[in-house]
Amino acid sequence: KAGVTQTPRYLIKTRGQQVTLSCSPISGHRSVSWYQQTPGQGLQFLFEYFSETQRNKGNFPGRFSGRQFSNSRSEMNVSTLELGDSALYLCASRPGQGTEAFFGQGTRLTVV
Amino acid sequence: AQSVTQLDSQVPVFEEAPVELRCNYSSSVSVYLFWYVQYPNQGLQLLLKYLSGSTLVKGINGFEAEFNKSQTSFHLRKPSVHISDTAEYFCAVSPYNFNKFYFGSGTKLNVKP
Repeated sequence: KAGVTQTPRYLIKTRGQQVTLSCSPISGHRSVSWYQQTPGQGLQFLFEYFSETQRNKGNFPGRFSGRQFSNSRSEMNVSTLELGDSALYLCASRPGQGTEAFFGQGTRLTVV
Repeated sequence: AQSVTQLDSQVPVFEEAPVELRCNYSSSVSVYLFWYVQYPNQGLQLLLKYLSGSTLVKGINGFEAEFNKSQTSFHLRKPSVHISDTAEYFCAVSPYNFNKFYFGSGTKLNVKP
């Protein structure tokens, strides 16, 4: 069974640009979550989608948005990039409540 | 509100020695408990989880953890570490009715030959 796939693995963007990250969950998993990992703030929850609906949202500005498609694939978008958005962005899928999350390898975003 | 505290940011240990990585949590609701490991430039891999039942949980690679409800702790242990265990370890909680993880700040385990 294929794991969680995130693309691209690495990205370099310029301040002010926008970026879209993609995540394909494990087949059959309908819940997809996104996390930001930085050395200073650690792992922080961005949002969670289930059946194309955002169910939970973390404490991030509106520049961070996401969506989920009918095949459970998810995208995350960051607009007007800032230097502080440089981070490893991790996607996770879960088969249901009360289960572990399966993480992708992440997308390393560098904003210059 | 939920929070997770990993008391040690770095733990150096010699190969074949035992190790314990400490994790305490605070939560106003019931939670599930997890330990994940992260190797450089990789995502998170599940080591073990506590959902219910026996408080001693065994995971992959010889790791185990014990859930202590009265002390709100979930410490990770391994009786004999290998060089390949060098990585960063994260303790996490997930509330029963909320599909979100709260992570600790991580403990870097450095196994020396």
